[in-house]
Amino acid sequence: ELKVEQNPLFLSMQEGKNYTIYCNYSTTSDRLYWYRQDPGKSLESLFVLLSNGAVKQEGRLMASLDTKARLSTLHITAAVHDLSATYFCAEGGATNKLIFGTGTLLAVQP
Amino acid sequence: DAGVTQSPTHLIKTRGQHVTLRCSPISGHKSVSWYQQVLGQGPQFIFQYYEKEERGRGNFPDRFSARQFPNYSSELNVNALLLGDSALYLCASSFRESYNEQFFGPGTRLTVL
Repeated sequence: ELKVEQNPLFLSMQEGKNYTIYCNYSTTSDRLYWYRQDPGKSLESLFVLLSNGAVKQEGRLMASLDTKARLSTLHITAAVHDLSATYFCAEGGATNKLIFGTGTLLAVQP
Repeated sequence: DAGVTQSPTHLIKTRGQHVTLRCSPISGHKSVSWYQQVLGQGPQFIFQYYEKEERGRGNFPDRFSARQFPNYSSELNVNALLLGDSALYLCASSFRESYNEQFFGPGTRLTVL
């Protein structure tokens, strides 16, 4: 069964701290997506990682992909309250069918 | 350019009823996919349509059906609604059939009573 697992499921952080969300997937796909979802809202695309070793950064977020380990990480640097949301990784390969992880609920406390 | 649009925004139905959800993709996008997101979970793939043909189906019962029109808009139909069908239904569009980033619409929140 194709699976995408994220950990932690819930992350409470203080502003200014750093942390990493982990995404393990079970296929040989070399394409990994990260999305952000605010409560009651749709999915906002954050990063598209297309190959082994890919690293992308936007503001305080940085995502990386290791296809050999089937692992992607989303690193948060100096967290701020505005980053509070649920973050999903999704594996997408030869088709447009995305397999989503369980999500990580991030709460940044002042 | 407008993004992916979906209608209606919210919908309340009772068990056993039928529902139709609608999606208009980004202009120029030919692929539409549908996802179901139950509260507290990640989205689950339901269907993909490309050039008006079904290209993929997730693990959903036959009560779920969809179609794509010549203008690439799409409908998702659910018959004989169950309480468990209550969810946020998301539509995503992309330019190509595969290996392509998908852009999500705002979703339709379906509540089945």
